[in-house]
Amino acid sequence: DAKTTQPPSMDCAEGRAANLPCNHSTISGNEYVYWYRQIHSQGPQYIIHGLKNNETNEMASLIITEDRKSSTLILPHATLRDTAVYYCIVRSYNNNDMRFGAGTRLTVKP
Amino acid sequence: SAVISQKPSRDICQRGTSLTIQCQVDSQVTMMFWYRQQPGQSLTLIATANQGSEATYESGFVIDKFPISRPNLTFSTLTVSNMSPEDSSIYLCSVDKGTGELFFGEGSRLTVL
Repeated sequence: DAKTTQPPSMDCAEGRAANLPCNHSTISGNEYVYWYRQIHSQGPQYIIHGLKNNETNEMASLIITEDRKSSTLILPHATLRDTAVYYCIVRSYNNNDMRFGAGTRLTVKP
Repeated sequence: SAVISQKPSRDICQRGTSLTIQCQVDSQVTMMFWYRQQPGQSLTLIATANQGSEATYESGFVIDKFPISRPNLTFSTLTVSNMSPEDSSIYLCSVDKGTGELFFGEGSRLTVL
């Protein structure tokens, strides 16, 4: 079973920051938070992951709360091509399977 | 990154028949995974395929229905056996190259009539 809760849908204006929340209140100490997205008719794409520190890469930033029970994925300047379903997943680094929840459908509007 | 090729990309099949989906990776990987994505739904893990051993199936999936082969470190197949319309889904192959990320193929879209 997925161990995360995400809002089913969100809208964002093009050029603005998209902030996607995720609750993972039962996360264990050795579990990482991963974010993936799936653009229509494509395979999921890795975005970012983190353990307890905030992380940033060329695609996004990941903010994890101090108690690690929730996190936020930030797309700093959303474009129309960022319209996708975004999945938040918790996974132990040495546990090889990745279990997907329902995700958040982000729609970026002009 | 990893380049993952799946074949076929899509197919239309008759009920009662079987279809084998192939997954080819551009480098050697230990773990390969097969997922199913039913229309409008999220991804569900079917099984984990290790080279040289039997695949490990998730609850609700059995080897007789979804036999998996893993003959080497760059290739795997998933067969959907005795298909029914309920098997109409996208089937996705993914790999972990040891970096913690999963890389996915583009999926095989199966329609069963």
